[in-house]
Amino acid sequence: DIQMTQSPSSLSASVGDRVTITCRASQNIRTYLNWYQQKPGKAPKLLISATSRLQSGVPSTFSGGGSGAAFTLTISSLQPEDFATYYCQQSFNTPPTFGQGTKVEVK
Amino acid sequence: EVQLLESGGGLVQPGGSLRLSCAASGFTFSNYAMSWVRQAPGKGLEWVSAISDSGSSTYYADSVKGRFTISRDNSKNTLFLQMNSLRAEDTAVYYCAKLVLRAVTTQIMDYWGQGTLVTVSS
Repeated sequence: DIQMTQSPSSLSASVGDRVTITCRASQNIRTYLNWYQQKPGKAPKLLISATSRLQSGVPSTFSGGGSGAAFTLTISSLQPEDFATYYCQQSFNTPPTFGQGTKVEVK
Repeated sequence: EVQLLESGGGLVQPGGSLRLSCAASGFTFSNYAMSWVRQAPGKGLEWVSAISDSGSSTYYADSVKGRFTISRDNSKNTLFLQMNSLRAEDTAVYYCAKLVLRAVTTQIMDYWGQGTLVTVSS
């Protein structure tokens, strides 16, 4: 199975900050990388697919980049509703695997 | 509007069985593959199983292979997960998720249900 590793595991930030989360795969997954946002007690929500494709309705403050085995999720200006846990997931092969999550907390 | 509504969770003893259901609406259910993903309390996301649009192809995580069975009834727009020989480590919220393709070739999960809690304990 492909291992996905996110860093950091948690971070503290303020509204308006620029935040970057890194996700590394244990092998080349080309651009088969997706990002999900999960708020407490809620289901995950797909934010970005195929490394950089923003889902409909997702603010343009979110962006994704990378290829091969290293990827990033960037929030250019953190908003109050963005405090949540973020997961990367590879869709290169089955089983799909997730990173351990990055919790974005209020500073 | 796409909606996925899971049901069937609850408390079960180790070794017991449960059948989860996921009722789908707002899209042509028979045109898309589906998955189950679980999340143990306070933990991350773990993929469990997937099924193609027709139900002809199924896939399982090693941790559940031989114990869980995924199926679907396209006439009733419903996805199922039959869980047998349950263990304490199966305790989790179970989510159903819609995939973006008919086949389980690349598992991008674009819509998720609200989840149903399964607790395995004596």
